[in-house]
Amino acid sequence: QVQLQESGPGLVKPSETLSLTCTVSGYSISSGYYWGWIRQPPGKGLEWIGSIYHSGSTYYNPSLKSRVTISVDTSKNQFSLKLSSVTAADTAVYYCARDGGLVKYDYWGQGTLVTVSS
Amino acid sequence: DIQMTQSPSSLSASVGDRVTITCRASQSISSYLNWYQQKPGKAPKLLIYAASSLQSGVPSRFSGSGSGTDFTLTISSLQPEDFATYYCQQSYSTRSITFGQGTRLEIK
Repeated sequence: QVQLQESGPGLVKPSETLSLTCTVSGYSISSGYYWGWIRQPPGKGLEWIGSIYHSGSTYYNPSLKSRVTISVDTSKNQFSLKLSSVTAADTAVYYCARDGGLVKYDYWGQGTLVTVSS
Repeated sequence: DIQMTQSPSSLSASVGDRVTITCRASQSISSYLNWYQQKPGKAPKLLIYAASSLQSGVPSRFSGSGSGTDFTLTISSLQPEDFATYYCQQSYSTRSITFGQGTRLEIK
């Protein structure tokens, strides 16, 4: 059974960098698939942030591209998100998920709320 | 970006009803369309992929149809556990994935 778990600070100050890690169990990232980050501001809809392959190939949302970095650590079976220069608009529940092919997200973490506030 | 527009934004229905939710793309996306169900405080759950393929473990009362720009999600007979928010997602533009704004399905 594939499981994903997000971890990282729940509170980030404005202008700083948000950093989250997704730990995958039940499946080796090195075996394939893309792995993605999606966020959801409180009470709002879903926004795709970007995705990464085990080789390190990435795709980013054009609206966030200048601030986003997604990386992978196959030795730890983890992938990570960094979002720089955050503002209150970046407050959201951040989900990590597996792209099970054709960009369909078939396994999700439970999500972690990140609040941007001083 | 490909814009995805769902209708209605909210819907009230009763247990046993047949319900249809529509998703329209701003340009043709062939059959690259997925549907998710999200309950409060939970992660989205994949229901339908490639417009009409049922994800493993999803009840057969859920079905999807459409191609090009117009798509529908149908629940043939609503069950109490189906009251949730539903999102469509296009996977045609792999460098810029977008979701619809969501349809909230409430109990009448």
